[in-house]
Amino acid sequence: RKEVEQDPGPFNVPEGATVAFNCTYSNSASQSFFWYRQDCRKEPKLLMSVYSSGNEDGRFTAQLNRASQYISLLIRDSKLSDSATYLCVVINQAGTALIFGKGTTLSVSS
Amino acid sequence: EPEVTQTPSHQVTQMGQEVILRCVPISNHLYFYWYRQILGQKVEFLVSFYNNEISEKSEIFDDQFSVERPDGSNFTLKIRSTKLEDSAMYFCASSEMSGALGDEAFFGQGTRLTVV
Repeated sequence: RKEVEQDPGPFNVPEGATVAFNCTYSNSASQSFFWYRQDCRKEPKLLMSVYSSGNEDGRFTAQLNRASQYISLLIRDSKLSDSATYLCVVINQAGTALIFGKGTTLSVSS
Repeated sequence: EPEVTQTPSHQVTQMGQEVILRCVPISNHLYFYWYRQILGQKVEFLVSFYNNEISEKSEIFDDQFSVERPDGSNFTLKIRSTKLEDSAMYFCASSEMSGALGDEAFFGQGTRLTVV
């Protein structure tokens, strides 16, 4: 099983749509989880951390299910500017490295 | 806003040559990282560095690779004898605290290395 797995997409949605991305991770001892965003040929940037209780930041909601080793990201009211690749990221057991999924590509159209 | 800066933005080198990629992490950060991303593939961890020593390295980070913090500001990645498969975008990152604490890692804009 790969360390972090994501559906690569692409997800093509119209403006205003709600879209959800899923991610699974293999190391049950992982303690920290994130969603990063990467625009084409740019560096990854932190979108939000993911907490066990779930957390929301404006139109973005992240959920963590430790029992299933599953992380999700929900984007409501999609904007054109949300078009990017969304990277699921898990800290390794030692806390010394970010382990990235391959990313899910989102394309929002008008 | 403080940022991680990397130079050069693009480097072309001949196979077998040595390259040094340079990074200036955010000034109060203590943890430093190198990642690479081959075109169309995922971001891969290479090495993490704390307190002037390597804290973790991946299988990719073999004897051809080395890191150094030669002064108080720079953090470098050296590839001794480049191979075609080393062609990738190399990202430097830094964080104030350990990633185990959930601290955000800030990435530089990357150096695109092309080995010909």
